[in-house]
Amino acid sequence: GAGVSQTPSNKVTEKGKYVELRCDPISGHTALYWYRQSLGQGPEFLIYFQGTGAADDSGLPNDRFFAVRPEGSVSTLKIQRTERGDSAVYLCASGSSTTDTQYFGPGTRLTVL
Amino acid sequence: AQSVTQPDIHITVSEGASLELRCNYSYGATPYLFWYVQSPGQGLQLLLKYFSGDTLVQGIKGFEAEFKRSQSSFNLRKPSVHWSDAAEYFCAVGASGGFKTIFGAGTRLFVKA
Repeated sequence: GAGVSQTPSNKVTEKGKYVELRCDPISGHTALYWYRQSLGQGPEFLIYFQGTGAADDSGLPNDRFFAVRPEGSVSTLKIQRTERGDSAVYLCASGSSTTDTQYFGPGTRLTVL
Repeated sequence: AQSVTQPDIHITVSEGASLELRCNYSYGATPYLFWYVQSPGQGLQLLLKYFSGDTLVQGIKGFEAEFKRSQSSFNLRKPSVHWSDAAEYFCAVGASGGFKTIFGAGTRLFVKA
């Protein structure tokens, strides 16, 4: 079946702009995760959804970052007033409540100029 | 605090030689442990996971890992490395039921002919 998809695959924006990154999880997966991976680093947890609600958003670095999952499926990560330090690959993963396994998408590479 | 340490930033092995990648973790409860592989331009792929039971777990592509609670370690091994194993390997620790997963910084594996 189809895996996790993320759009766009690449996003270049200017400092101060607003961006939205989209994640389409595997159908039927109730859990959805966002991570950020900077160059040469491992993925850094941002936020975890169970259904429509954010069960753990402790990884969001500041209030410029926000994520939603209004219908319990597709999720959007929103970044306001982007900064050069936000440049990274943003990874999405989804999971079933019965397996504790996360399935990762290919990521969105965000570049802030 | 929860953390994962991968002491080796990069490792080079000859094709056909054995491999061991080290991982140490710090976690307050019984950990769920994972190894992921990330090839250039590819998403993270789960190699294996440990939740409970037998401390030696088998994964895909001929990999195995051993959980040693006394050493807080979860080292990844493969008896004979193939050139296609060249990639970045990440150890991760998480909790039951999802929630945040903490990744190590990764170990890059180079395979020489």
